[in-house]
Amino acid sequence: GAGVSQSPRYKVAKRGQDVALRCDPISGHVSLFWYQQALGQGPEFLTYFQNEAQLDKSGLPSDRFFAERPEGSVSTLKIQRTQQEDSAVYLCASSIKGGKLFFGSGTQLSVL
Amino acid sequence: GIQVEQSPPDLILQEGANSTLRCNFSDSVNNLQWFHQNPWGQLINLFYIPSGTKQNGRLSATTVATERYSLLYISSSQTTDSGVYFCAVQWSGTASKLTFGTGTRLQVTL
Repeated sequence: GAGVSQSPRYKVAKRGQDVALRCDPISGHVSLFWYQQALGQGPEFLTYFQNEAQLDKSGLPSDRFFAERPEGSVSTLKIQRTQQEDSAVYLCASSIKGGKLFFGSGTQLSVL
Repeated sequence: GIQVEQSPPDLILQEGANSTLRCNFSDSVNNLQWFHQNPWGQLINLFYIPSGTKQNGRLSATTVATERYSLLYISSSQTTDSGVYFCAVQWSGTASKLTFGTGTRLQVTL
């Protein structure tokens, strides 16, 4: 596609619900990143894929967070048993390996 | 991990003024990028600049990797330049993740 596409744009969840956030990267980009951005802060790294391989998941805050990219294209970030502290904007980005990073518009998650 | 500090944290300019934003980092990097986050939250990649100087219209950037800093110059600022500017670095000791700086919030007024 022309850019990185994320859905949904907004998600409201009740505490304890599971959510799934989708990212469709730029076609041909092998590298895919997930970042979390709290209000007024810079993006914080969550996890990195090269094709379908998850090479770095050091930024995932707990085992409630899980990401996958089974066919090396679309990726899903899943959060189980959401908590209020999970409220943030979740950003997906893609690049050719080691190149310029292009971001999607993000998913704003609000946990009530 | 690597520390990335940006200055100034906040900046208010009148339209037409010039400015320089600075990014200092604490360790060797092999990748540095500048981003503009507009008021709607979209992050736009301005420069991929691990070293040297690049220019794109009214914007230019210089990275001096050996001295661990990068500068972003904005000339003849416009109201559409408002937002937050981030630098992000890839530390030489990591695979490819970018670590973002603290950001500079810029407001351009008429």
